[in-house]
Amino acid sequence: AQSVTQPDIHITVSEGASLELRCNYSYGATPYLFWYVQSPGQGLQLLLKYFSGDTLVQGIKGFEAEFKRSQSSFNLRKPSVHWSDAAEYFCAVGAWQAGTALIFGKGTTLSVSS
Amino acid sequence: DVKVTQSSRYLVKRTGEKVFLECVQDMDHENMFWYRQDPGLGLRLIYFSYDVKMKEKGDIPEGYSVSREKKERFSLILESASTNQTSMYLCASSLRQGAASDTQYFGPGTRLTVL
Repeated sequence: AQSVTQPDIHITVSEGASLELRCNYSYGATPYLFWYVQSPGQGLQLLLKYFSGDTLVQGIKGFEAEFKRSQSSFNLRKPSVHWSDAAEYFCAVGAWQAGTALIFGKGTTLSVSS
Repeated sequence: DVKVTQSSRYLVKRTGEKVFLECVQDMDHENMFWYRQDPGLGLRLIYFSYDVKMKEKGDIPEGYSVSREKKERFSLILESASTNQTSMYLCASSLRQGAASDTQYFGPGTRLTVL
């Protein structure tokens, strides 16, 4: 069965430091992979997505993610974190089958310290 | 820009009440979704619809029903609200039927409390 694992429930990063959020997926075919961000009390906003081609994907707000098929991973990175990046981040895989649209990981909460 | 709106940001209802959550999208999307979000559990799919009057159960449909009479509107119905349905409810839409690569666009969410 398809699944998404985000191993880190909560991460704290200093402002200006680099960030990497981990995401591992289980899916039989070539996956469609997404990263969403949710600010407190808000809906989800798409940061970036991968569905083919270049394995390094650029997104909004200076984020990027790299698809590594051999590791079944799609980790999100940012070279320098800003205080406004504090939010919850969700990795998801697109799987069109009965009863499932996007399969989400449980999320990683990012705190930014000054 | 795609806009997905939800009728209420916050709702407080009593156990046993019938509750309607409304969602409207303005971009002629084929697919609409209802998710439930709980701390530590991420987002779980309740129902989705790929066309008017069509619906499919998601992972946790028990205690919920949906209605899609018009393309732009997708309603989630709690027939008899219970305290374990206290949660954040998120609506989403995407453009094409069967296109798992399409972005889902989310509304701001409705935080429902059932007393």
